[in-house]
Amino acid sequence: GAVVSQHPSWVICKSGTSVKIECRSLDFQATTMFWYRQFPKQSLMLMATSNEGSKATYEQGVEKDKFLINHASLTLSTLTVTSAHPEDSSFYICSARDFAGGRMNEQFFGPGTRLTVL
Amino acid sequence: GESVGLHLPTLSVQEGDNSIINCAYSNSASDYFIWYKQESGKGPQFIIDIRSNMDKRQGQRVTVLLNKTVKHLSLQIAATQPGDSAVYFCAEILIGYNAGNMLTFGGGTRLMVKP
Repeated sequence: GAVVSQHPSWVICKSGTSVKIECRSLDFQATTMFWYRQFPKQSLMLMATSNEGSKATYEQGVEKDKFLINHASLTLSTLTVTSAHPEDSSFYICSARDFAGGRMNEQFFGPGTRLTVL
Repeated sequence: GESVGLHLPTLSVQEGDNSIINCAYSNSASDYFIWYKQESGKGPQFIIDIRSNMDKRQGQRVTVLLNKTVKHLSLQIAATQPGDSAVYFCAEILIGYNAGNMLTFGGGTRLMVKP
């Protein structure tokens, strides 16, 4: 149980285009999902916290107009990188928390999405 | 959350040996700690956790030690296998601090197992 999926697993796009990444909790409902970015050989950096039905909370230094987050249902959150540039190339990872399952301290991570902006 | 450490130290061990991976965490008020394993191109996988009121917890082939005095966490892997090769991250959780920003990753360590 507690499986989180991401789609796509990798994407290559041209500079200036927008890319949408989906994060789904497959077997549980996630009122809260998290979006992380990871550069090569570095740790995961939290970008934003996504709460179902409300606006996302962004970490300091993360542009909310550039990284649009929508958490429209209890099983789906999306991250849209708008007007992507080469410096946005990174590994984007989502995670979800299963409150109902009693495992509120545990986050379940998706497999990540590799974004390359040319 | 802020991540500590922007470079990954590497630990190289021989297959069959024991591995010890260390982590320094930042918040003495953290309630809970988790070790994650991340293989190349994949998301982090939960390995083992420990509450702040404990100093040791054992799992299958893994043991986590917590020293709150010096804010230090370690992961011991017994009889290391090639499949253990990955990057290992510690994470600390502060319960009730903020409904969203509860988990903070530490800097990772790359474990390389030589056959």
